[in-house]
Amino acid sequence: GENVEQHPSTLSVQEGDSAVIKCTYSDSASNYFPWYKQELGKGPQLIIDIRSNVGEKKDQRIAVTLNKTAKHFSLHITETQPEDSAVYFCAAYNNDMRFGAGTRLTVKP
Amino acid sequence: DTAVSQTPKYLVTQMGNDKSIKCEQNLGHDTMYWYKQDSKKFLKIMFSYNNKELIINETVPNRFSPKSPDKAHLNLHINSLELGDSAVYFCASGKIAGGPYEQYFGPGTRLTVT
Repeated sequence: GENVEQHPSTLSVQEGDSAVIKCTYSDSASNYFPWYKQELGKGPQLIIDIRSNVGEKKDQRIAVTLNKTAKHFSLHITETQPEDSAVYFCAAYNNDMRFGAGTRLTVKP
Repeated sequence: DTAVSQTPKYLVTQMGNDKSIKCEQNLGHDTMYWYKQDSKKFLKIMFSYNNKELIINETVPNRFSPKSPDKAHLNLHINSLELGDSAVYFCASGKIAGGPYEQYFGPGTRLTVT
């Protein structure tokens, strides 16, 4: 089955800096890669996703890149703000969704 | 307008009891899911239901059973609760047909077994 690795497990940045979270997957048939943000006491919220026929997608300060050959994808957050602090999960989908272990992002004001 | 709702939000119970968690979605999705999030925040799928048929059943003890009265509801029943069942349980919904498509999560139910 699919195995998703996510790094780093914790990330601390200064407000205004960029943050990058990376994930790798094992199943080359996976074709959908969402990213979720989970704030304390809440459910995961979809923030951006990318499909296997696209290499990059951007939505304001958030962007995701996908390298199908290397089987890795990354989340990029620019101009970070304290409200970006949360746990971020990547996932890969092929018949079912497999999640990475999460990255706790802290943005210091 | 809540897309995916769960009740209760918190559930504290003793070992050996039987409990249920309810989930409802108003997104018109054809598939619903249950996930378990452990203390280390790891999210693992437990079940998914599509058109009232179970299509994924991971290595979950048979004390856990999903019940779907209709496409908008997927309830989770847990029998003979154990200490290790303590976790946060998330319901989610999504579409399969023509997919893959995004999944939307409920707010979670924190289950504590004492």
